[in-house]
Amino acid sequence: EVQLVESGGGLAQPGGSLRLSCAASGFTFSDYWMSWVRQAPGKGLERVASIKEDGSEKYYVDSVKGRFTISRDNAKNSLYLQMNSLRAEDTALYYCARNRVSLAYWGQGTLVTVSS
Amino acid sequence: QSALTQPPSASGSPGQSVTISCAGTSSDIGAYNYVSWFQQHPGKAPKLMIYEVNKRPSGVPDRFSGSKSGDTASLTVSGLQAEDEADYYCNSYAGGTNLVFGAGTKLTVL
Repeated sequence: EVQLVESGGGLAQPGGSLRLSCAASGFTFSDYWMSWVRQAPGKGLERVASIKEDGSEKYYVDSVKGRFTISRDNAKNSLYLQMNSLRAEDTALYYCARNRVSLAYWGQGTLVTVSS
Repeated sequence: QSALTQPPSASGSPGQSVTISCAGTSSDIGAYNYVSWFQQHPGKAPKLMIYEVNKRPSGVPDRFSGSKSGDTASLTVSGLQAEDEADYYCNSYAGGTNLVFGAGTKLTVL
């Protein structure tokens, strides 16, 4: 059974940093693109970043370029999102998802709140 | 890139069929056969229901079907059941590194 478990969310001040993690199991992690998708309270879905199987390609939505960094550790079956220079508009539930387009499996999400 | 356009709400009675549209452009839906649909119940994570326009992942009931005509994709739910009441989101590959989502449609089972 595919499982994706996010962690690392919480309250951060504007300009602050957080590092999200996603632990994957139930599939060969190194065979798949992985993505972070966020959902602001009461809003729709937005893919934030995606990373290729071997980490050699990374995509970011324009609003986070230069502030967020996606990475992975295939030996640990883990996906990460380093979030710096956080803004109020980054407040959202952040989901880890398998694949970069079809987003076949999702975790339950970790909540990031940016507020002073 | 602009978001895809979905109706904010749709409804139907148990047993009926309902179709939710997802309007895009010639740069996204019209250009690629990479349209997906997701179901999201309140407080839950999204679940993939349809991928590549009309393919169903294992375990998704065949009451759910997808199609595309020109720049518009559609999700049809046949034989509506109470548990189908949820938010539904579409997305489409839009070339390069771009992936666009619709704003979601709240499906109510009357």
